[in-house]
Amino acid sequence: KAGVTQTPRYLIKTRGQQVTLSCSPISGHRSVSWYQQTPGQGLQFLFEYFSETQRNKGNFPGRFSGRQFSNSRSEMNVSTLELGDSALYLCASSSLTRERDTGELFFGEGSRLTVL
Amino acid sequence: AQSVSQHNHHVILSEAASLELGCNYSYGGTVNLFWYVQYPGQHLQLLLKYFSGDPLVKGIKGFEAEFIKSKFSFNLRKPSVQWSDTAEYFCAVNAPRDDKIIFGKGTRLHILP
Repeated sequence: KAGVTQTPRYLIKTRGQQVTLSCSPISGHRSVSWYQQTPGQGLQFLFEYFSETQRNKGNFPGRFSGRQFSNSRSEMNVSTLELGDSALYLCASSSLTRERDTGELFFGEGSRLTVL
Repeated sequence: AQSVSQHNHHVILSEAASLELGCNYSYGGTVNLFWYVQYPGQHLQLLLKYFSGDPLVKGIKGFEAEFIKSKFSFNLRKPSVQWSDTAEYFCAVNAPRDDKIIFGKGTRLHILP
């Protein structure tokens, strides 16, 4: 069974540009979460999608947005990039139901964004 | 709001030493608790989890964690570490029926051969 796939793996952008990151969850998983990982800050929750609906959102500015498609694939977008947006962006999928009875997240390898 | 605190940011041990990594969370109700591990160059993976029942949970590779409700703690332990345990360890929490899992800032563990 293929794992969580994130593209691109690495990218370099300049301040003011925008970026779109893609995540394909494990087949059958309907929940996709996004996290930002930076040294010293650990993983910070961005948002979580289930069946194309954003169920929860972290404390990030509106420049960070996401969506989920009917096949459960998800994208996140960051507009007007700032230097501080440089990070590893992780996507995780799970087979969670609304009751969240499993709780295990399966992570991709991440998309490493560098903003110059 | 939920939060997770990991006390040690960087731990260095020699092989065969015992390990205990601290984790405290803040949330007044029932919680699900997790430890994830990220080995060098690899993706994050689940080490162990607690939902209910026996507060002493055993995970992969000889790791275990104890949930102490009165202390809001979920410390990770291993009696004898190996060089291959070098990794970053993340404690995480979520409330049942909540839709997000909150992670601590991580503890970087370095095992000396």
